[in-house]
Amino acid sequence: RKEVEQDPGPFNVPEGATVAFNCTYSNSASQSFFWYRQDCRKEPKLLMSVYSSGNEDGRFTAQLNRASQYISLLIRDSKLSDSATYLCVVNPITGNQFYFGTGTSLTVIP
Amino acid sequence: GEEVAQTPKHLVRGEGQKAKLYCAPIKGHSYVFWYQQVLKNEFKFLISFQNENVFDETGMPKERFSAKCLPNSPCSLEIQATKLEDSAVYFCASSPNSNTIYFGEGSWLTVV
Repeated sequence: RKEVEQDPGPFNVPEGATVAFNCTYSNSASQSFFWYRQDCRKEPKLLMSVYSSGNEDGRFTAQLNRASQYISLLIRDSKLSDSATYLCVVNPITGNQFYFGTGTSLTVIP
Repeated sequence: GEEVAQTPKHLVRGEGQKAKLYCAPIKGHSYVFWYQQVLKNEFKFLISFQNENVFDETGMPKERFSAKCLPNSPCSLEIQATKLEDSAVYFCASSPNSNTIYFGEGSWLTVV
């Protein structure tokens, strides 16, 4: 079983829509959780860390459900510039490797 | 520096040739990670360092891959006798505390 699983999509949504991505992880002892964004042919960039209490940054909201071992990302009022691949990243043990999901592709359509 | 610097950006090698990639972590970051991304899909972990010490090398194909992080030098990832399936983007990332990682722009290796 993979450490981190994501629905690869693609998600095609109109501008202004709300879209949500989920990700599940297998190691219940995982410590740190993140969403990264990767544009075509570019490096992943940290979008936001995910905290147990949930956190929000502008149009983006991240949630962590430890009991069900999933992480979610909600994007409100989608912009064309949100089109990218969103990577769910989990660090099971501080200091060890980070595990990546395969990414969820989002295209925001005018 | 304030960003992870990877060189070269692009590298083309014939099968069987050696490839060497370099990474300068963000100043003050003591952890360095190398990942391989094939065809914009999965990120395969290769190796991590804490300063010059190997921290986790469980992802390294040891027969042909090697890596080092020496004091006062960029970290390096070397592939001996490259194969076609080594064609990928190799990302280096650094972290101050191994909690959040920051990526370089990647080195695109094409083996022909």
